Amino acid sequence: AQSVTQLGSHVSVSEGALVLLRCNYSSSVPPYLFWYVQYPNQGLQLLLKYTTGATLVKGINGFEAEFKKSETSFHLTKPSAHMSDAAEYFCAVRGYSGAGSYQLTFGKGTKLSVIP
Amino acid sequence: AAGVIQSPRHLIKEKRETATLKCYPIPRHDTVYWYQQGPGQDPQFLISFYEKMQSDKGSIPDRFSAQQFSDYHSELNMSSLELGDSALYFCASSVEGENEQYFGPGTRLTVT
Repeated sequence: AQSVTQLGSHVSVSEGALVLLRCNYSSSVPPYLFWYVQYPNQGLQLLLKYTTGATLVKGINGFEAEFKKSETSFHLTKPSAHMSDAAEYFCAVRGYSGAGSYQLTFGKGTKLSVIP
Repeated sequence: AAGVIQSPRHLIKEKRETATLKCYPIPRHDTVYWYQQGPGQDPQFLISFYEKMQSDKGSIPDRFSAQQFSDYHSELNMSSLELGDSALYFCASSVEGENEQYFGPGTRLTVT
């Protein structure tokens, strides 16, 4: 079974400051991990993903995340926050139940506010 | 590039009515997933289909059913609607064996 814990349901940062959104996972198999962003009243957009290989993954809009197996973490960072980054961010882990199904298990989400 | 299409985008129903949500996956994608996101909640997996067969089932109520058709589009049928069914329903599609799911814009269902 897989699960995801996101620490902090709300995070506020000043414009230009570092963004750090925390995600810890639990998985019985080598995990595939994802970060999605959701703007108000919109769908889910993939920011980045970790499958295998390089543990530091870069995504869109200047975001990156580092997979740390020893810490079971996949924290999302961005060096300098922009106002447009204000949104809700979901960490997700991929499961596998056979027959081609790889459903995602999401964390509870972290709402990011950017203060001008 | 083509994306996942969901219709309708908004739907208002009364309690005990039925609703049908449609999902059109990206061309050549053979797998469809349905997720439900309640107000202020994370998306919860409902059901998935691979090559027109149900491949997995999550927290989907017995009042709901779904299927995938020969053209790979999928429909989620919801009966005896309850107030608690008000949510954003997402469809996602992928190619079997690939890592990424592509999400549609969602259907916002409001039950009054």
